[in-house]
Amino acid sequence: DSGVTQTPKHLITATGQRVTLRCSPRSGDLSVYWYQQSLDQGLQFLIQYYNGEERAKGNILERFSAQQFPDLHSELNLSSLELGDSALYFCASSVVGTGVNEQFFGPGTRLTVL
Amino acid sequence: AQKVTQAQTEISVVEKEDVTLDCVYETRDTTYYLFWYKQPPSGELVFLIRRNSFDEQNEISGRYSWNFQKSTSSFNFTITASQVVDSAVYFCALSENQAGTALIFGKGTTLSVSS
Repeated sequence: DSGVTQTPKHLITATGQRVTLRCSPRSGDLSVYWYQQSLDQGLQFLIQYYNGEERAKGNILERFSAQQFPDLHSELNLSSLELGDSALYFCASSVVGTGVNEQFFGPGTRLTVL
Repeated sequence: AQKVTQAQTEISVVEKEDVTLDCVYETRDTTYYLFWYKQPPSGELVFLIRRNSFDEQNEISGRYSWNFQKSTSSFNFTITASQVVDSAVYFCALSENQAGTALIFGKGTTLSVSS
């Protein structure tokens, strides 16, 4: 158990819908990262927050957004869902926001868009 | 640009065989960090090791060992006396020494260990 929690574990929804994925980082970690794992794209970085502020953006679609709250938990919002958004979404956390620290990953949320 | 290449897509071995998973990376940064993660069939990503670019010492942890060679930009992972429980997808990843950096993952190597 990495100490990072993600809810829900599974999510099945329809095209055009909006969903919210939730992540709680390890105790003491200030930085939260979101990654998407799909068969064709592999593991891709989406976005990073550090202590409530957006720190870096990767290949995140405009239909996707995220935020980190004062208690450091984070939410990833996916809207106007398409079939291609079906993937495993991971949240990871680290102590600080630089590359020096390893990132610990949550169990993931498996999103299926029908 | 940063890039991680894991040329071996799938490897199959029989229990007790040794197996090496290759990882080649590209970066323009002089300070960077390399990682290996394991993804078992259950799906979670498990951290295995972190190595910084200034430390080229090989590391051994039980049946696992890592060989970091800056001259060839490689960070290979060897499992000695493989076991069925080692069956998983193994990812090599790179991050650079700056704020706002993320992990750049390779495509992964699927290791299947049969009894």
